[in-house]
This record gives sequence, structure tokens and C-alpha cells, in this order.
Amino acid sequence: GNSVTQMEGPVTLSEEAFLTINCTYTATGYPSLFWYVQYPGEGLQLLLKATKADDKGSNKGFEATYRKETTSFHLEKGSVQVSDSAVYFCALSGPGNQFYFGTGTSLTVIP
Amino acid sequence: SQTIHQWPATLVQPVGSPLSLECTVEGTSNPNLYWYRQAAGRGLQLLFYSVGIGQISSEVPQNLSASRPQDRQFILSSKKLLLSDSGFYLCAFTDTPNSPLHFGNGTRLTVT
Repeated sequence: GNSVTQMEGPVTLSEEAFLTINCTYTATGYPSLFWYVQYPGEGLQLLLKATKADDKGSNKGFEATYRKETTSFHLEKGSVQVSDSAVYFCALSGPGNQFYFGTGTSLTVIP
Repeated sequence: SQTIHQWPATLVQPVGSPLSLECTVEGTSNPNLYWYRQAAGRGLQLLFYSVGIGQISSEVPQNLSASRPQDRQFILSSKKLLLSDSGFYLCAFTDTPNSPLHFGNGTRLTVT
């Protein structure tokens, strides 16, 4: 079946530190992969996506590469800011437009 | 452009009272529509999804129900709320295969 596993949080980093949030998936076929961000009290916003193997999604300094060989889609950012504090969700879309989400990783960036 | 509206933003209801949350989508036709619930500090739980008017699939048996009276309108209801229904309810849509989910701003429901 389809599932997403992402690293447990919470993650606390100092401003300008390097960020990695791990995400691995299990899927039948060739899913699309997504990262979403949720700021406190808000809905989820699409951060980036990748639709096929070796695609790199990027947005706002965040990047993630669709790695079919390791079934991974790790989120990275070279220098985090306080404004990046949020919960991050990894997700995949499977057949029939079904979506599978990880449990979310809370990130806090301290000045 | 496509937009999704969800209301109300917050709601406080007593146990045993009814519930109606509404979601509408603009700028697209025949979207797939979804209701999710997010308990405090937890991940997303899919409650219902719909691929067309009157077509509702339920993922979790509970005292909630969903309806889709129009192409771009999705309603979440309950006849009698339970304390355990408290949470953050999110409506979402997609409109093409492999496109991402687009979420509304959510409704914070507190059952007292």
C-alpha cells in the first residue's frame, strides 16, 4: 500500500542553520510527492512538489529531490529564518487522487 | 484563479448540538473535494472525499456526515456533536490528476 514516514519532531534550530527533514515513502506505481507547510492556526500550504523521479522541487529556499532508488523526498534549506517556524508535512498522491500524509514535523527557529 | 473558502473560522458548540461546516471552491469545475480533521498536535485524518455531486466516500465511521449538493460545495454535518469531535477541520480540493491538494484556512471546532 501507500504510506509516508517522516522524521519525528520537534526540531529546534538556530537562525541560519541548515535544515533537513527526512521523508520516505512506500507507494505502488509512480506517485507525485509534496511538501506542505502549516503556520499556527492556518491551513496547509503547498511548499513544493515533484512529479517524477529525479525531479527537484524548490520554493522559498527550500528544496527536495524525488529519489526513487531510496524512496525518499527529504526537505532541505541552507539557512533557516525565524519565519520558517511551522509544521511541515510530507505527502504523496496515489491512484484515484488519494493523498497520504506523514505525521508532520514541527520546526522552531530561534534567533 | 482557483480559490477555496471555508467557514466559519472558529466555532464553539455544546455537546449534543448540530454542526454544519461549509466549503466552496471557485475557479474550477468538477473538483475532487476532501474533508480532513486534525486533532491537536496530530497529523491529518481523512474523513470524507467526493468525486462528484452526491458521491461521497467515508473513510472513518463516526457521527459525522458529508454532502455535496452542488459541484463546488462540500458540507460537513453532525446531528449531535461529541466532545471527541473537537479539532481543526480542513477542506481541500484537487482538479486534475497528480495535481496537489489545495486547502482552505480551516475551522477550529471546540465542543464543550
